[in-house]
Amino acid sequence: SQQGEEDPQALSIQEGENATMNCSYKTSINNLQWYRQNSGRGLVHLILIRSNEREKHSGRLRVTLDTSKKSSSLLITASRAADTASYFCATDYSGNTGKLIFGQGTTLQVKP
Amino acid sequence: GAVVSQHPSRVICKSGTSVKIECRSLDFQATTMFWYRQFPKQSLMLMATSNEGSKATYEQGVEKDKFLINHASLTLSTLTVTSAHPEDSSFYICSARGRQGEKLFFGSGTQLSVL
Repeated sequence: SQQGEEDPQALSIQEGENATMNCSYKTSINNLQWYRQNSGRGLVHLILIRSNEREKHSGRLRVTLDTSKKSSSLLITASRAADTASYFCATDYSGNTGKLIFGQGTTLQVKP
Repeated sequence: GAVVSQHPSRVICKSGTSVKIECRSLDFQATTMFWYRQFPKQSLMLMATSNEGSKATYEQGVEKDKFLINHASLTLSTLTVTSAHPEDSSFYICSARGRQGEKLFFGSGTQLSVL
């Protein structure tokens, strides 16, 4: 399977704490993207990091990419109850048609 | 950001009937659209890639005759689940990308329940 793996599968934290999610993939990529999904809804793009980048920030989000380990992490700082959702990494494989392959996802619950 | 509209959001049908799901890009031209299927608490499984004006490319294990995809214009792709059965019950999501775009814009999904 080309799908990446994410851990943890589920994460429960208190509001204000930081949340870290990890993603591993199998082959070389053009870029890696993180998406968020609220229950029963479509996905929303959060951030994209290219294969030649190591770290990227967007607001309270920080993404790292380690191509040697084929892994990425998403850090959400100062979490809020509204951050409760499922988070998926998606990889754009080199030489592919541009389609994304999604990881298994991490379900994050932020308790108020 | 770009908007993708997906309809219907929920459909209940009898076994043996066909269901059509529409995916429209409202404010950009979607050269490529993707259709995904998602089971509860699981990831998205890519079903097919559709390019405007050409036949869809299906992923391994996805039946072309069961899941008919049409991408007749740069703003509309449709997925028709033919002769639906209870095992086809799932959440179907479309996504679209514009020219040279890297990120995807997703519809809000369609929950299909086949009785």
